[in-house]
Amino acid sequence: DSGVTQTPKHLITATGQRVTLRCSPRSGDLSVYWYQQSLDQGLQFLIHYYNGEERAKGNILERFSAQQFPDLHSELNLSSLELGDSALYFCASSVGITSGGARNTQYFGPGTRLTVL
Amino acid sequence: DQQVKQNSPSLSVQEGRISILNCDYTNSMFDYFLWYKKYPAEGPTFLISISSIKDKNEDGRFTVFLNKSAKHLSLHIVPSQPGDSAVYFCAASGYNQGGKLIFGQGTELSVKP
Repeated sequence: DSGVTQTPKHLITATGQRVTLRCSPRSGDLSVYWYQQSLDQGLQFLIHYYNGEERAKGNILERFSAQQFPDLHSELNLSSLELGDSALYFCASSVGITSGGARNTQYFGPGTRLTVL
Repeated sequence: DQQVKQNSPSLSVQEGRISILNCDYTNSMFDYFLWYKKYPAEGPTFLISISSIKDKNEDGRFTVFLNKSAKHLSLHIVPSQPGDSAVYFCAASGYNQGGKLIFGQGTELSVKP
């Protein structure tokens, strides 16, 4: 158990809908990262928050947004869903923000499997 | 442009023998490398990491070697056990990457009894 929790574990919805994925980081971790894993792709970085502030964006679609709340949990919002958004969505957390060393070792949650029908 | 590559999609090893998983990278600004293990329907589990100032890091049965001149790292598992069967991902980060990890495509390891 990494200490990172994600809900829900599974989500099935229809095209055009909007969903919210939730993540709680490990106790003491200030950084939260979101990754997407599609069937034919590896883990792709979406977005990084540190202590409530957005710090970096990857190939995140404009239909997707995220935020980190004062209690450090994070939510990833996916809207106008398309079939191609079906994927595993992982949240990870780490202590620090900068690269290098144990402070940036990221611990992953169990993921949310999103299926868009 | 894939900055982290794992060229072997799969590897099969006999129980008790050594498993060697390889990873190549292209970005010389990467300064921290990690290996994760992943079972189906679970999140990646952190295994071991290495900083670019080192060339070897060991933790029990797992050893990671870094060859900066070749931009290559490898994970050695000795001895391999059936419970090691999983997908292994190599990941890298650098100070210019904003903290994000760049992952390879993964290598599926199968350890046969």
